[in-house]
Amino acid sequence: SQKIEQNSEALNIQEGKTATLTCNYTNYSPAYLQWYRQDPGRGPVFLLLIRENEKEKRKERLKVTFDTTLKQSLFHITASQPADSATYLCALDLDTGNQFYFGTGTSLTVIP
Amino acid sequence: EAQVTQNPRYLITVTGKKLTVTCSQNMNHEYMSWYRQDPGLGLRQIYYSMNVEVTDKGDVPEGYKVSRKEKRNFPLILESPSPNQTSLYFCASSSSGATEAFFGQGTRLTVV
Repeated sequence: SQKIEQNSEALNIQEGKTATLTCNYTNYSPAYLQWYRQDPGRGPVFLLLIRENEKEKRKERLKVTFDTTLKQSLFHITASQPADSATYLCALDLDTGNQFYFGTGTSLTVIP
Repeated sequence: EAQVTQNPRYLITVTGKKLTVTCSQNMNHEYMSWYRQDPGLGLRQIYYSMNVEVTDKGDVPEGYKVSRKEKRNFPLILESPSPNQTSLYFCASSSSGATEAFFGQGTRLTVV
């Protein structure tokens, strides 16, 4: 069956360090993968999209990698700040660009 | 301001009483979708629409209906709600399935 796993439900790191979140998937051949941020009681907010033929994507302090052989994406936040504390979700399509599956998310807490 | 608007934000209803959750976007997006979010299960896609009059089932469509008569609106209909449909619902839109999605603020539904 289709499955997306995000590493540990919760991740605590010290301010200034790099946070690394993992998204692993099985039984998919996604054309691309997206990362979203969700704050409590709010809708997810888009952060980055990476396509299957891209190894790495960057946006300011954010970096995403996509390894289709390992079936894994890594999401990095460098120089983390308390304001980065949120739940981060990865999402995959089913190679159609129409139907999407989300991971259950990783709750990140950046400690001042 | 570009936005996706859902109404109502909160709703408590009784089993079997038909209800509609509205969703409207002002970005002229072709693709719209509905998700439910439950603890431990993450976001799961209910229905999506590629364009006006074109809708298709997502991962968990049972007990729900949708319609897309206009490009901007994509209402979610629960003909006979049951307690297992108690959840947090999100509407989302994007210019296509393969681009960033914009989410609404969410509708917290309780069926008693």
